[in-house]
Amino acid sequence: QVQLQQSGPGLVKPSQTLSLTCAISGDSVSSNIAAWNWIRQSPSRGLEWLGRTYYRSKWNYDYALSVKSRITINPDTSKNEFSLQLKSVTPEDTAVYYCTRYQSGACDYWGQGTLVTVSS
Amino acid sequence: DIVMTQSPLSLPVTPGEPASISCRSSQSLLYSNGYTYLDWYLQKPGQSPQLLIYLTSNRASGVPDRFSGSGSGTDFTLTISRVEAEDVGVYYCMQAVETPLTFGGGTRVEI
Repeated sequence: QVQLQQSGPGLVKPSQTLSLTCAISGDSVSSNIAAWNWIRQSPSRGLEWLGRTYYRSKWNYDYALSVKSRITINPDTSKNEFSLQLKSVTPEDTAVYYCTRYQSGACDYWGQGTLVTVSS
Repeated sequence: DIVMTQSPLSLPVTPGEPASISCRSSQSLLYSNGYTYLDWYLQKPGQSPQLLIYLTSNRASGVPDRFSGSGSGTDFTLTISRVEAEDVGVYYCMQAVETPLTFGGGTRVEI
């Protein structure tokens, strides 16, 4: 059974960097058939896909245009996890953040969600 | 980006009765491999979204057979044959034919 366990701070100051980690059990971040995503949810923006990383002979990365200049998603094969960094946050980045596994056409496993509030 | 439009926004239901939710995409979700990349998710109160239906009409593991998905191209439907109390929550459709993955605005199902 695949499990995704999220960790990271729930409060970030404006202009700082939001950092979250998603630990994977029951699968590998280096899987050749999965992609590892970050999605966020807020009342104003609904469910918003932020980006993904996946391994197909090499590491690949895709990011949403809305955050492309500020986002980094990194796999860590030694810890079997992947991370999200979002720079220069503003209150508009306040949301519940989810990590997910995408495989066979769907996001079949989700982390428990982390409410991140951007406030001084 | 592909825009996903769901209707209705809110759906009052009666246990034992059928219910259906519509989802429309701004362009076809049919991929060159023959699969149509439309999924349905249910978010129960206080929980993460959970996968119900993938690739238009395939039930995810453990999903009761009262849930079914249908459609093609740009028009899709999620049907609950007989609603149960545990089915309350917000239902979302999502397209995965291209990035960015995009979601519908959600349909709140309440008894």
